[in-house]
Amino acid sequence: KNEVEQSPQNLTAQEGEFITINCSYSVGISALHWLQQHPGGGIVSLFMLSSGKKKHGRLIATINIQEKHSSLHITASHPRDSAVYICAVRPITGNQFYFGTGTSLTVIP
Amino acid sequence: NAGVTQTPKFQVLKTGQSMTLQCAQDMNHNSMYWYRQDPGMGLRLIYYSASEGTTDKGEVPNGYNVSRLNKREFSLRLESAAPSQTSVYFCASRYLLAEYFGPGTRLTVT
Repeated sequence: KNEVEQSPQNLTAQEGEFITINCSYSVGISALHWLQQHPGGGIVSLFMLSSGKKKHGRLIATINIQEKHSSLHITASHPRDSAVYICAVRPITGNQFYFGTGTSLTVIP
Repeated sequence: NAGVTQTPKFQVLKTGQSMTLQCAQDMNHNSMYWYRQDPGMGLRLIYYSASEGTTDKGEVPNGYNVSRLNKREFSLRLESAAPSQTSVYFCASRYLLAEYFGPGTRLTVT
């Protein structure tokens, strides 16, 4: 049973396209994180959300707590955005994060 | 600040060998975590330490032991490595709701 589901699993886009990655979760949460992992690289936290919307450069993250759903948008995508994007949730109770399996994004020049 | 550091970055072991993965953070965080990442699966929690002197099992603790040596350091030990432990291992520390990850250790057990 996966507490966190991401879609799509893989995504290929042309440079400049608008990209959306979706995350659905099944537990009550205190926070949701979007993480970025480059090939062979470490994991970087992009956003932490508990409500509403956050924007950082070309990245926008939204969350709907009632629907248990979050989206990560990338505007004007660029090849350097190619990475795996991981959704993670912090449940209201307990110490453990739950992680999605990631969305592998490839942006072609 | 170096953040979260891990050593080694790569390691190859033979079945039955032992080794310790080291993790340190310089952010004065109380909570530290060890995860493994396998293809097609999300990160899975092996062990965590909510504070210095305490450790608890996560989702997949079998075959591993940990030591929270002090507030900075949290090590993961494989006493007798098995091919099923081939994975990428990430250490993380946490402050409030924010998680900070180390660069990872790629371990292969042959």
